[in-house]
Amino acid sequence: DAGVIQSPRHEVTEMGQEVTLRCKPISGHDYLFWYRQTMMRGLELLIYFNNNVPIDDSGMPEDRFSAKMPNASFSTLKIQPSEPRDSAVYFCASSLDGFNSPLHFGNGTRLTVT
Amino acid sequence: DQQVKQNSPSLSVQEGRISILNCDYTNSMFDYFLWYKKYPAEGPTFLISISSIKDKNEDGRFTVFLNKSAKHLSLHIVPSQPGDSAVYFCAASAGAGSYQLTFGKGTKLSVIP
Repeated sequence: DAGVIQSPRHEVTEMGQEVTLRCKPISGHDYLFWYRQTMMRGLELLIYFNNNVPIDDSGMPEDRFSAKMPNASFSTLKIQPSEPRDSAVYFCASSLDGFNSPLHFGNGTRLTVT
Repeated sequence: DQQVKQNSPSLSVQEGRISILNCDYTNSMFDYFLWYKKYPAEGPTFLISISSIKDKNEDGRFTVFLNKSAKHLSLHIVPSQPGDSAVYFCAASAGAGSYQLTFGKGTKLSVIP
């Protein structure tokens, strides 16, 4: 079991550029979550999927953010255009049964937008 | 407004002693609580959970206590070890049918050898 795999680990980009974060969940996990961690707000849920279908995206901050899950083994979080306030650590997590089973987190992508 | 609060940003404990990490919540609908541990440059890892039908759950050196009337839970680590040094997050959800897991901001535990 390789765990949840996120790429890249670090991303530095300039304001206005498009950023794509990638996630491979644990095989067999039906739920996938994208979280953002900042000093001010802590860990916030952005969006989650069940069986590749987005269920709740109410945490997505703006239309600049979008997430897709084209298949059970891959998800992307895209920010277009990026802004300095998007700088944060973005975590992907997966679980067998939503929040009723523990979330398994990836190691995160640290995004810096200059 | 913060529905899950960890009021101590940091805690230092001597190796071998007890570490007590506290968490308060405001939402009375929360009925499932979890603790996660996070090392630098890694994602949070699940540690222990408790359902609101219980007031205590134990797993080895880790025990979580839940006081529903006070809307308070705590994590006890006995004995504390240097490898326990990490950031601990408290999290809560409204359980079955609700998929919003709300995290506290974390408490950084340092266990001094």
